Amino acid sequence: DAGVTQSPTHLIKTRGQHVTLRCSPISGHKSVSWYQQVLGQGPQFIFQYYEKEERGRGNFPDRFSARQFPNYSSELNVNALLLGDSALYLCASSSRGENTGELFFGEGSRLTVL
Amino acid sequence: SQKIEQNSEALNIQEGKTATLTCNYTNYSPAYLQWYRQDPGRGPVFLLLIRENEKEKRKERLKVTFDTTLKQSLFHITASQPADSATYLCALGARRGGKLIFGQGTELSVKP
Repeated sequence: DAGVTQSPTHLIKTRGQHVTLRCSPISGHKSVSWYQQVLGQGPQFIFQYYEKEERGRGNFPDRFSARQFPNYSSELNVNALLLGDSALYLCASSSRGENTGELFFGEGSRLTVL
Repeated sequence: SQKIEQNSEALNIQEGKTATLTCNYTNYSPAYLQWYRQDPGRGPVFLLLIRENEKEKRKERLKVTFDTTLKQSLFHITASQPADSATYLCALGARRGGKLIFGQGTELSVKP
């Protein structure tokens, strides 16, 4: 079975641009979460979606938005990119909306903002 | 604010020894604590989950303890191997919701 897939794997943008990152969860998983991981730090929670509804939002500006589609795939959008948005963006899926089980992470999308 | 601290310095040990990693937290009462392994350029991989009412959990060469009084978790890898070299992340979760709060990770290097 395929794991969590993310695209693109790497991308380079310039300040002020917009980016869309995509995630396909493991088949049967209805929860998708997004995390930002800056080099040398642990992942930081951005959003969680469960059954297409937002279940949680981290301490990120409104430039960050996300949505989940009927097939449970998800998009993370970041507008007006800043240099500080350079990071590894991780998507994780789980079968439940709660913290009662493991998260399955994708390999991430490495965003570089110049 | 909530804070999680893991061994800030890299941990270097000899093959066959037991590696012990520490995760301390403040201003938080997690219902669950998870440990993940992360290799360079890869996504984290789940290792173990322990609940607030559990003191210890084992899986093969891995052992996790959870002391809610000390607000600390210890992660042990026995009979360590060079293949265990990676960054290990602890993460805390509340009783409700799917948000995990991660520590900064501890880099473990096992030398042959």
